[in-house]
Amino acid sequence: ILNVEQSPQSLHVQEGDSTNFTCSFPSSNFYALHWYRWETAKSPEALFVMTLNGDEKKKGRISATLNTKEGYSYLYIKGSQPEDSATYLCAFSTGGFKTIFGAGTRLFVKA
Amino acid sequence: DVKVTQSSRYLVKRTGEKVFLECVQDMDHENMFWYRQDPGLGLRLIYFSYDVKMKEKGDIPEGYSVSREKKERFSLILESASTNQTSMYLCASSFWGNAAGELFFGEGSRLTVL
Repeated sequence: ILNVEQSPQSLHVQEGDSTNFTCSFPSSNFYALHWYRWETAKSPEALFVMTLNGDEKKKGRISATLNTKEGYSYLYIKGSQPEDSATYLCAFSTGGFKTIFGAGTRLFVKA
Repeated sequence: DVKVTQSSRYLVKRTGEKVFLECVQDMDHENMFWYRQDPGLGLRLIYFSYDVKMKEKGDIPEGYSVSREKKERFSLILESASTNQTSMYLCASSFWGNAAGELFFGEGSRLTVL
């Protein structure tokens, strides 16, 4: 059974703090690893898609790394802002139609 | 701007009622999906479709059916709603040629079955 684990489940930080989350996934049959951001009352939106071991992606203050050999990815947020408050979803793909999602990390950023 | 639209944001239904959740996408995507999201669990795939009139079971299809009569529309049907189907339902679509499978989501439909 393919399983994606995310930690922590939730996180409370102060504005300006930097933070990071972890996603663990199966290291076999890897095709792609996705990060999505899901803000309350909105639709989940793709942040990054990573396919190669060692990939690093960056979008503004948010970055992600990928290690397919050991089966983990980190998402980093530098200088958290209240608008970063959201649930961050990690998803693993073997290249077929089925994408396996983790339960998410819920981030709360206090001003 | 790409868009996936779900017909109802909030629904309250009674046990045994037939429920329709509608989803429309305007991106000409071949693939469409229905997921449900429950606290503490990742999104779980109910059904997906890779073409008009084609449908495939996901991981939790029991108690659900789907319909895809037009490329842009994918409907989820609960033939006889039960309380354990109270959940957030998310529709998504993707482009067939995108092998990395990036999904575009709707805003979700929160269903409560009493």
